[in-house]
Amino acid sequence: EVQLVESGGGLVQPGGSLRLSCSASGFTFSDHSMHWVRQAPGKGLEYVSFISNNGDRTGYADSVKGRFTISRDNSKNTLFLQMSSLRAEDTALYYCVKDLRDKYSFDYWGQGTLVTVSS
Amino acid sequence: QSALTQPASVSGSPGQSITISCTGTSSDVGSYNLVSWYQQHPGKVPKLMVYEGSKRPSGVSNRFSGSKSGNTASLTISGLQAEDEADYYCCSYADSGTWVFGGGTKLTVL
Repeated sequence: EVQLVESGGGLVQPGGSLRLSCSASGFTFSDHSMHWVRQAPGKGLEYVSFISNNGDRTGYADSVKGRFTISRDNSKNTLFLQMSSLRAEDTALYYCVKDLRDKYSFDYWGQGTLVTVSS
Repeated sequence: QSALTQPASVSGSPGQSITISCTGTSSDVGSYNLVSWYQQHPGKVPKLMVYEGSKRPSGVSNRFSGSKSGNTASLTISGLQAEDEADYYCCSYADSGTWVFGGGTKLTVL
């Protein structure tokens, strides 16, 4: 059974930093690109970032480019999102998402970790 | 990376069919047959319903179907059931090398 378990969320002041983690199991982690998608309270889904299966390619939404960095450790089946210069508008539930291989879509989602940016 | 455009809400009676549109540009929906659709019930995580424009993952009812014309993709749900009431999001791969979601559509089953 595929499981994606996020951690690392919490309350942080504007301008602060936070590192999210996602522990994956139930599939061959190193075979799949992984993504972060966020959802502000009561709002829609917003794409954040992706990383290829071996980490050689990454991509970011314009809204987080230059502030967020995605990475992965295939030896530990773990995905990361380093977030810095956080703003109030980054407040959201952050989902770790597995790709449906070669299909440019997302077939498994974690339960999410809540990031709140507030003073 | 502008969000794809979806109607805020649609509604239909049990047994009827409804269609949710998703309008993008020639840089995303129009350039690729890589639109996916997600269903999200309140308090739940999104569920993949359609990928590559019209393909259904295993286990998804054939009442859900996807299509595309030009820069607009569509999700049609036939034989509406009460359990279909949820938020629906489209998503497309884009020239930017990342993905873009629609704003979401709230489906109400009357």
